[in-house]
Amino acid sequence: GQSLEQPSEVTAVEGAIVQINCTYQTSGFYGLSWYQQHDGGAPTFLSYNALDGLEETGRFSSFLSRSDSYGYLLLQELQMKDSASYFCAVGSSASKIIFGSGTRLSIRP
Amino acid sequence: SQTIHQWPATLVQPVGSPLSLECTVEGTSNPNLYWYRQAAGRGLQLLFYSVGIGQISSEVPQNLSASRPQDRQFILSSKKLLLSDSGFYLCALLLGSSYNEQFFGPGTRLTVL
Repeated sequence: GQSLEQPSEVTAVEGAIVQINCTYQTSGFYGLSWYQQHDGGAPTFLSYNALDGLEETGRFSSFLSRSDSYGYLLLQELQMKDSASYFCAVGSSASKIIFGSGTRLSIRP
Repeated sequence: SQTIHQWPATLVQPVGSPLSLECTVEGTSNPNLYWYRQAAGRGLQLLFYSVGIGQISSEVPQNLSASRPQDRQFILSSKKLLLSDSGFYLCALLLGSSYNEQFFGPGTRLTVL
């Protein structure tokens, strides 16, 4: 089968750094993406990795290791508005994209 | 830029009733389109995706069906709703120069009673 595993919940302090891990098992691999979803809203795209290494976009970075079927999202200088659910997603074919179960990030002042 | 319309925003339906959710897209042509369902507090479950008119790939055996009668229209249907069909239904299209980014519509929150 195909699956993506990520922690269900993470708690962090405002201003700190947090890492959300994702491991995947899919029949094909066309890249790992990350999405943010606030309560009641639709997911919004954060980042994408097709090749091994680190991609940085402002306070957010994403990492991929294809040999380990593993990636992570790194959030720096956490702000209260970063409290949301974060999903990893894998393209298992050129068209098919499946999502993990999501990580709920709670930030304390 | 692209826009996705989904309606209605919320819907309450009795068990056994039919369902039709429509997704229409603007600002792009020949998009890959997707239907996802999200149960409360859960992840996104891929239901159907379509790479073109009349082309539907089904991911999960269920009492739902999808159709794509036009390039920018994607419809999700059911003949008889189940309680387990309750959830947040999201339509999405694929973007990006390498087709790596999904853009989501506002979603329809369905409650089956």
